[in-house]
Amino acid sequence: DGGITQSPKYLFRKEGQNVTLSCEQNLNHDAMYWYRQDPGQGLRLIYYSQIVNDFQKGDIAEGYSVSREKKESFPLTVTSAQKNPTAFYLCASRWAQGAYEQYFGPGTRLTVT
Amino acid sequence: DAKTTQPTSMDCAEGRAANLPCNHSTISGNEYVYWYRQIHSQGPQYIIHGLKNNETNEMASLIITEDRKSSTLILPHATLRDTAVYYCIVRGYNNNDMRFGAGTRLTVKP
Repeated sequence: DGGITQSPKYLFRKEGQNVTLSCEQNLNHDAMYWYRQDPGQGLRLIYYSQIVNDFQKGDIAEGYSVSREKKESFPLTVTSAQKNPTAFYLCASRWAQGAYEQYFGPGTRLTVT
Repeated sequence: DAKTTQPTSMDCAEGRAANLPCNHSTISGNEYVYWYRQIHSQGPQYIIHGLKNNETNEMASLIITEDRKSSTLILPHATLRDTAVYYCIVRGYNNNDMRFGAGTRLTVKP
């Protein structure tokens, strides 16, 4: 099956710990994205990558880091510098050029206590 | 990318058409209008997109005004499973930053 996988679905961490969220796609898409969603709110863009070994900050990149070493993978690290890390995190991908739509993964719900 | 304005919430009776409006008065010539929806605690699902012509697929129809400053997503026969948050997004052809607003929460009622 082609698609985007995010794991795990639920993640619990203690405050002060870094945590890495996984995102993998087998759609051969060039561009990948990370969004954060808080309860009752829309999606906010954290980081995106148009090509391997390159990525750009979105609107709320502070306290997060990413890497894009492989086309199919775009992991997100939530660092201890992120003040309010508890949220629903969504990964997406699309072909970089043209009017193509995004495909989303099922999301990871991170709870930090 | 142009910003969009959508109503916060709407209701629709089951079996009736749901018409969801979106204003994008600052849209530029090469920007497309996209619609996605998000059912609670799931990833958003693509519905449809268009540039200036009206579009229809198996899920919905997209009507874009002639001046392209607004659009309407039409779900022709809404069902309870269409209850979701619907997002209208405007994005340039080769822009890679997709930004979502707060969307419209559609509630389909029996």
